[in-house]
Amino acid sequence: QSALTQPPSASGSPGQSVTISCTGTSSDVGAYNYVSWHQQHPGKAPKLVIYEVSKRPSGVPDRFSGSKSGNTASLTVSGLQAEDEADYYCSSFTGSNNWVFGGGTKLTVL
Amino acid sequence: DVQLVESGGGLVQPGGSLRLSCVASGLAFNGHWMHWVRQAPGKGLVWLSRINSDGSRTDFADSVKGRFTISRDNTKNTLFLQMNSLGAEDTAVYYCARGPGSGSGSYYVGDYWGQGTLVTVSS
Repeated sequence: QSALTQPPSASGSPGQSVTISCTGTSSDVGAYNYVSWHQQHPGKAPKLVIYEVSKRPSGVPDRFSGSKSGNTASLTVSGLQAEDEADYYCSSFTGSNNWVFGGGTKLTVL
Repeated sequence: DVQLVESGGGLVQPGGSLRLSCVASGLAFNGHWMHWVRQAPGKGLVWLSRINSDGSRTDFADSVKGRFTISRDNTKNTLFLQMNSLGAEDTAVYYCARGPGSGSGSYYVGDYWGQGTLVTVSS
């Protein structure tokens, strides 16, 4: 199972919006509405910020939103704040009853 | 405190074995899927395995199928990962993560994660 494709980096200024893409195939992202996004700060454990494409766990600000079109999912962070600077990973359920992660995107708040 | 605590990591020689544990406290363990995910130094997350709430269903990534075994003891709120035939490519921080409740209809890898345990495979 190949990793999902994410851009290695993204950036935006405080208050701006940034969108991170996650491209898979018709066997994973395109087949299921089971795409999740995780935020990971350096040296910390990942934190779930979006699941099932667009649902937010309790406690996650509504500045975080998700969407999907075909084989590509996207995470949008609006109203960027300094604490949003982190690595972001998408993941998807696959037709092999497995899960696959993306390679990660380092988000920099300028 | 809500936490998952992994243990059992350490230095192991190539070809060796290691058993990782993950103890859940302050959160529901029974009734939930559980996952193992690893992260090599400076690299991204890689999903390894999952187990359903009663242990009757397990799935593995191709990279570890046949070498790793996942199990759980619901009486002790503990998840295990038995790792055999370890190689340098298995060097990573290993995380356990809680999945959705069985029958919830939800799908995600981890709403709670442990802090990880480091496994180093080297001679």
